[in-house]
Amino acid sequence: DAMVIQNPRYQVTQFGKPVTLSCSQTLNHNVMYWYQQKSSQAPKLLFHYYDKDFNNEADTPDNFQSRRPNTSFCFLDIRSPGLGDAAMYLCATAKGRGQNTEAFFGQGTRLTVV
Amino acid sequence: GEDVEQSLFLSVREGDSSVINCTYTDSSSTYLYWYKQEPGAGLQLLTYIFSNMDMKQDQRLTVLLNKKDKHLSLRIADTQTGDSAIYFCAESMRAGSYQLTFGKGTKLSVIP
Repeated sequence: DAMVIQNPRYQVTQFGKPVTLSCSQTLNHNVMYWYQQKSSQAPKLLFHYYDKDFNNEADTPDNFQSRRPNTSFCFLDIRSPGLGDAAMYLCATAKGRGQNTEAFFGQGTRLTVV
Repeated sequence: GEDVEQSLFLSVREGDSSVINCTYTDSSSTYLYWYKQEPGAGLQLLTYIFSNMDMKQDQRLTVLLNKKDKHLSLRIADTQTGDSAIYFCAESMRAGSYQLTFGKGTKLSVIP
């Protein structure tokens, strides 16, 4: 059974129209991450939550926001998507920050901006 | 320059060994990872190595780390068509932290 579930798998949105991507986990992990992966590029960390503690990467645009209403769910909100935001968005979870902690990735949501 | 570099493509024949190379620049990197990404799928952790290790073997996978040269490699023995995917090298400075810096990935093509 999938442990990190991202919905939808494919999302098409209009230029400038707010869009929300969702991630849920059944692992009860403390940490949830959002990565952006553009075509033929490396995944790039946008932000992460350690429990309710939000940690934004310095170069993450203000256009990207996140919410984590409870342990199981985390949302990525893009306030005004531009053509340059078209990418695969990957959610990952991890139990904590100790040794041998493995992260589990979802299958990703591919966002298209038209 | 990029923090983590990989060659973009590798092609091998089925049954041969594949060696995917990676170089990184941050000498304080503590943990180095290899991920596999199949078409349209998320990232799957294959293996990782701590910076105080030189080698780690796990079934068909062998990871070699040359800390002096900041060079990491992944060897896949007896490569199968199911191994065709993109392989990402990534580094982290903290145990279990997934604030990772990824390379751009090496696309492995296995020829039957």
